[in-house]
Amino acid sequence: QSALTQPPSASGSPGQSVTISCTGTSSDIGAYTHVCWYQQHPGKAPKLIIYAVNKRPSGVPDRFSGSKSGNTASLTVSGLQAEDEADYYCSSHAGMNNWGIFGGGTKLTVL
Amino acid sequence: QVQLQESGPGLVKPSETLSLTCSVSGGSIENYYWSWIRQPPGKGLEWTAYIYYSGTPTNYNPSLKSRATISVDKSKNQFSLRLSSVTAADTAVYYCARILLGSGPSFDDWGQGILVTVSS
Repeated sequence: QSALTQPPSASGSPGQSVTISCTGTSSDIGAYTHVCWYQQHPGKAPKLIIYAVNKRPSGVPDRFSGSKSGNTASLTVSGLQAEDEADYYCSSHAGMNNWGIFGGGTKLTVL
Repeated sequence: QVQLQESGPGLVKPSETLSLTCSVSGGSIENYYWSWIRQPPGKGLEWTAYIYYSGTPTNYNPSLKSRATISVDKSKNQFSLRLSSVTAADTAVYYCARILLGSGPSFDDWGQGILVTVSS
């Protein structure tokens, strides 16, 4: 069982928007702004797409956005494209004794 | 952006020690934190350990129960992971990664990963 809870699947049609949630506790997501999102295509290494809740690394399209409310973080993918079909993982800081924790991942399907 | 490459045996026997090395190219290992993350087949990601380029500080996932040791060799621009007393549960793709400065567990550059199978 993962430390952070994500829905196992999500889907949307091309051009639509989809939001993936990531639920933690007041000891991780609720306590820190170190929330990240990663995109992973099959057989590939994960790619950082959001860090510090809502910041995008250079080169990541602005179709990807992040937010946080209380103990829940969210990733929104706008204007869905076929290449967005992938697994998405959230992560958070949870204190120095459990520095980095991940969600179980969400498989995004573009219909 | 730097390039990272994992190396090590793809098969380890139960109760033995897993040893992996990550070679960093296209940039210096200095002034950054470096980490290992693993992913069991068909499952999610698990952070295992991190180290600063100078060798300290280090930090480990408590679930590894002192079986893990992370180290760095600045002269070779490499860092390594050793995991002792392995079991089948340690079978995973092991990734090495660079930590984005000042952003907690944010891994901005990753290696391609190496599959390590624990089996007799």
